[in-house]
Amino acid sequence: DSGVTQTPKHLITATGQRVTLRCSPRSGDLSVYWYQQSLDQGLQFLIQYYNGEERAKGNILERFSAQQFPDLHSELNLSSLELGDSALYFCASSASLAGIGNEQFFGPGTRLTVL
Amino acid sequence: QKEVEQDPGPLSVPEGAIVSLNCTYSNSAFQYFMWYRQYSRKGPELLMYTYSSGNKEDGRFTAQVDKSSKYISLFIRDSQPSDSATYLCAMRDSGGSNYKLTFGKGTLLTVNP
Repeated sequence: DSGVTQTPKHLITATGQRVTLRCSPRSGDLSVYWYQQSLDQGLQFLIQYYNGEERAKGNILERFSAQQFPDLHSELNLSSLELGDSALYFCASSASLAGIGNEQFFGPGTRLTVL
Repeated sequence: QKEVEQDPGPLSVPEGAIVSLNCTYSNSAFQYFMWYRQYSRKGPELLMYTYSSGNKEDGRFTAQVDKSSKYISLFIRDSQPSDSATYLCAMRDSGGSNYKLTFGKGTLLTVNP
């Protein structure tokens, strides 16, 4: 158990809908990362937050957005869902931004199925 | 050319074998190298974390980084059926504006009893 929690575990929804995925980082970790994993693309970085502020964006669609709240939990919002958005969504957290000890620890993921 | 290339396998070995998993990369800015293990339908679990070139050993696992060749390896000695999983290499640069990880696509390993 990495200490990172994600809810829900599974989500089944229809095209055009909007969903929210939630992540609680390990106790004390300030940085949260979101990744998408699909069979064809592998694990792809979406977005990073550090202590409430967005720090980096990767291959995140405009239909997707995220935020990190004062209690450091994060939410990833996916809207106007398409069939191709079906994937595993992982949250990871790390203690800080710098240093060799900045390992990222992953949560169990949310499996999103868009029908 | 993808930034990180990893042979997807699958790789099937008998119990007790030495397993060698490899990744190549193209971005010379990568400084930190990691290996994650992912069981089916689970999140990636960090196995090894190394900085720059060299070797690192942890129990049955040894990670090697050759920055001159842009090549990293993970060796598993005395492999066990419980090692059956997908192994993902990951790497990142020294920081700057973001600390994202770039992953290989993973190698599926099966260790047969």
